[in-house]
Amino acid sequence: SQTIHQWPATLVQPVGSPLSLECTVEGTSNPNLYWYRQAAGRGLQLLFYSVGIGQISSEVPQNLSASRPQDRQFILSSKKLLLSDSGFYLCAWSELDSNQPQHFGDGTRLSIL
Amino acid sequence: GDSVTQMEGPVTLSEEAFLTINCTYTATGYPSLFWYVQYPGEGLQLLLKATKADDKGSNKGFEATYRKETTSFHLEKGSVQVSDSAVYFCALSPNTGGFKTIFGAGTRLFVKA
Repeated sequence: SQTIHQWPATLVQPVGSPLSLECTVEGTSNPNLYWYRQAAGRGLQLLFYSVGIGQISSEVPQNLSASRPQDRQFILSSKKLLLSDSGFYLCAWSELDSNQPQHFGDGTRLSIL
Repeated sequence: GDSVTQMEGPVTLSEEAFLTINCTYTATGYPSLFWYVQYPGEGLQLLLKATKADDKGSNKGFEATYRKETTSFHLEKGSVQVSDSAVYFCALSPNTGGFKTIFGAGTRLFVKA
């Protein structure tokens, strides 16, 4: 069966520090991969998605970036965190075909001090 | 563009009450429709899905019917439990070759004992 792992679960970082969040998927090949941010009590904001290695689409301009160095690995990064980057970050995957459901990781709660 | 509108929360019910969370959508063609559930501090889990008109998705006592004529996918449960307290997201995935899922804003449900 397929599994998705996301880490760390919780992260507290000072303003201006770098960020690296990692997500890996097991049990499937060539998945679509997604990064979302969820502000407290709010809905989901799609940040990035990827349909293949090295292929990244950005949905919103910001100081975050994403990379997909391997088929089942998706990394969210920042060179300098802002206070507004605080939130709950969720990684998800779906089958390559459209109209398939997405499957989510357990999320990373990021607090910026 | 495609969109999902769901009823605002929070919804507060007593245990064993009947639950309805309304969801309507706008989309071209025939999207697939989903309900996801998010428990506190966790990622989203797929609750149920329907891929064509008049399909009924069901899981854990929850049901939703794909109504093409009213562009709706309302979530229902006959008797809620305290453990159903969570945030519920309605979502659609277009069948037009896109890879993005469109999520509603989420509806928080509180069930009192």
